Amino acid sequence: DIVMTQTPLSLSVTPGQAASISCKPSQSLLHSDGKTHLYWYLQKPGRSPQLLIYEVSNRFSGVPDRFSGGESGTDFTLKISRVEAEDVGVYYCMQSIQLPWTFGQGTKVEIK
Amino acid sequence: QVQLVESGGGVVQPGGSLRLSCSASGFTFSGYGMHWVRQAPGKGLEWVAFIRFDGSNKYYADSVKGRFSISRDDSTNTLSLQMNSLRAEDTAIYYCAKTLGYCSGNTCYPYFDYWGQGTLVTVSS
Repeated sequence: DIVMTQTPLSLSVTPGQAASISCKPSQSLLHSDGKTHLYWYLQKPGRSPQLLIYEVSNRFSGVPDRFSGGESGTDFTLKISRVEAEDVGVYYCMQSIQLPWTFGQGTKVEIK
Repeated sequence: QVQLVESGGGVVQPGGSLRLSCSASGFTFSGYGMHWVRQAPGKGLEWVAFIRFDGSNKYYADSVKGRFSISRDDSTNTLSLQMNSLRAEDTAIYYCAKTLGYCSGNTCYPYFDYWGQGTLVTVSS
């Protein structure tokens, strides 16, 4: 199985400050068709997960532009340019290049 | 708007069975694959099962293979998960999720664009 390792596991951020979460897969997520199957989800407290980013860097419908996804070498990064109170929750990366489709362990973001 | 409403959760003894349902609305159910994803109390997300839009292929996590069965009824826009031989480690909130992505032959590269609110399954004596 592909292991998705997220760092850090928790993050405390001052509103208006930037935040960054890293996700490192144990295998390449790049398909021969050029797509990279890496996704980001946010699970707000007491809620279901919601899709933020698909295929590394594409924001899903309705996701604010303060969220961005990218990659650096073999790692992937989710950045929040200016954290707001509504951004608290647990962020998960996920891969779907290979069964079973697996998630990272989650990064809990809280507001200072 | 897309709505997914799970039902059927509850408390069941180890070795017992339970059937979960997910009622879908707000999109053309027959045109999309569907998943079950679970979350043990205080833990992360685990993909459980996937059925393609036409029901032609079903995929399972090793942890549930042979015990769980995913199915769909396009006439009632309902996704189901039949869970047999339940174990304590199956205790979790079970979410149904609509899929995006694509399949090439029997290999699929999905992701989940909408999720239900979840239904809690507790396996305990």
